Amino acid sequence: KNEVEQSPQNLTAQEGEFITINCSYSVGISALHWLQQHPGGGIVSLFMLSSGKKKHGRLIATINIQEKHSSLHITASHPRDSAVYICAVRPQGGSEKLVFGKGTKLTVNP
Amino acid sequence: NAGVMQNPRHLVRRRGQEARLRCSPMKGHSHVYWYRQLPEEGLKFMVYLQKENIIDESGMPKERFSAEFPKEGPSILRIQQVVRGDSAAYFCASSLHLRASVAFFGQGTRLTVV
Repeated sequence: KNEVEQSPQNLTAQEGEFITINCSYSVGISALHWLQQHPGGGIVSLFMLSSGKKKHGRLIATINIQEKHSSLHITASHPRDSAVYICAVRPQGGSEKLVFGKGTKLTVNP
Repeated sequence: NAGVMQNPRHLVRRRGQEARLRCSPMKGHSHVYWYRQLPEEGLKFMVYLQKENIIDESGMPKERFSAEFPKEGPSILRIQQVVRGDSAAYFCASSLHLRASVAFFGQGTRLTVV
């Protein structure tokens, strides 16, 4: 079993829909990251969380440390949001190593 | 201020050749990370370097792979005697300081071993 599990693996939505992508992890962490990988392959860091909630534009990320769970929400989705969204955790213990989920491929249709 | 620059973007090598992947971090960034993304798999940490020092190489295969980040110039990931299983996308990221909230990623180098 992977230390970081994402669901769903694939998600197709209509433009304007509210999107939720989930991430569960099995180890103690010091931080959790959400990344976006575009169809061309480039990776953009969206959020780093250690508690609570963060918002940037139409993106909202939440984390529940006790439940070892994080969600990424996209409001008013748009075709340009189509990408692979990747959850990554930094395990406790001082290492800089990130452990990644396999990603959720989101397709938003017009 | 250019972002993280990786080159080449695409690299084709025959089995047994050497592959050298370069990463120039963002200006002022002294922390560099290398990750590998195998086809149909998630990203995997390989190595974390600061200028002239390897801090954590726990994700690097024990043989054929090496990394450096010299005082001057880009970080280099070197793969000797490449095999088909080395075909992957290799990403570099840099950050300003330890545990930065944002790491900036390069576009990746796609290595194909034929």
